[in-house]
Amino acid sequence: DVKVTQSSRYLVKRTGEKVFLECVQDMDHENMFWYRQDPGLGLRLIYFSYDVKMKEKGDIPEGYSVSREKKERFSLILESASTNQTSMYLCASSVTSTGGWEKLFFGSGTQLSVL
Amino acid sequence: EDKVVQSPLSLVVHEGDTVTLNCSYEVTNFRSLLWYKQEKKAPTFLFMLTSSGIEKKSGRLSSILDKKELFSILNITATQTGDSAVYLCAVSDFIQGAQKLVFGQGTRLTINP
Repeated sequence: DVKVTQSSRYLVKRTGEKVFLECVQDMDHENMFWYRQDPGLGLRLIYFSYDVKMKEKGDIPEGYSVSREKKERFSLILESASTNQTSMYLCASSVTSTGGWEKLFFGSGTQLSVL
Repeated sequence: EDKVVQSPLSLVVHEGDTVTLNCSYEVTNFRSLLWYKQEKKAPTFLFMLTSSGIEKKSGRLSSILDKKELFSILNITATQTGDSAVYLCAVSDFIQGAQKLVFGQGTRLTINP
């Protein structure tokens, strides 16, 4: 089974702190994604990556950056955390095949609270 | 702007009932529609639909896509308390040279014993 592991389930940070959310997948997937999930808004794409050292902005990249130095690891960075970044963050990965790339495997999420 | 709308947003039924969840969409370059189940934290994949009128089935769950009317339904028959979850619909689109999944808000399904 594919495993996508997010380093923390719950995280509490102070406004202005730099925050790192780590995600590791063990199935050699080339595609990795970061979403945030807020009540009433569904999942919104922050950043995604189709290859090592490659990154693309999603729909809401402001205030975030990412790093993909190794294929299995995709990190989300909040440069200066703000209260409106309090949210559930979900990492996902997928493989591109003849059937497509859309079947995502998700991690268990990190509930981030910024005080 | 891409849009995926799920209805109802919330549904409470009794064990044994049959439920139908709806997903309508407006995207620029449709490729596929997917359903996920989110019980605690991690959404898990249920179905991927690309062709109109072909039902996908897995046990008590089934789903079908109508590409002409731009919607999909997810049916769950003989519901059990373990079906309680948030069900997410997502549609893939090709926007500005990149493929993206656009998610709906989700339907929170509660099955009472």
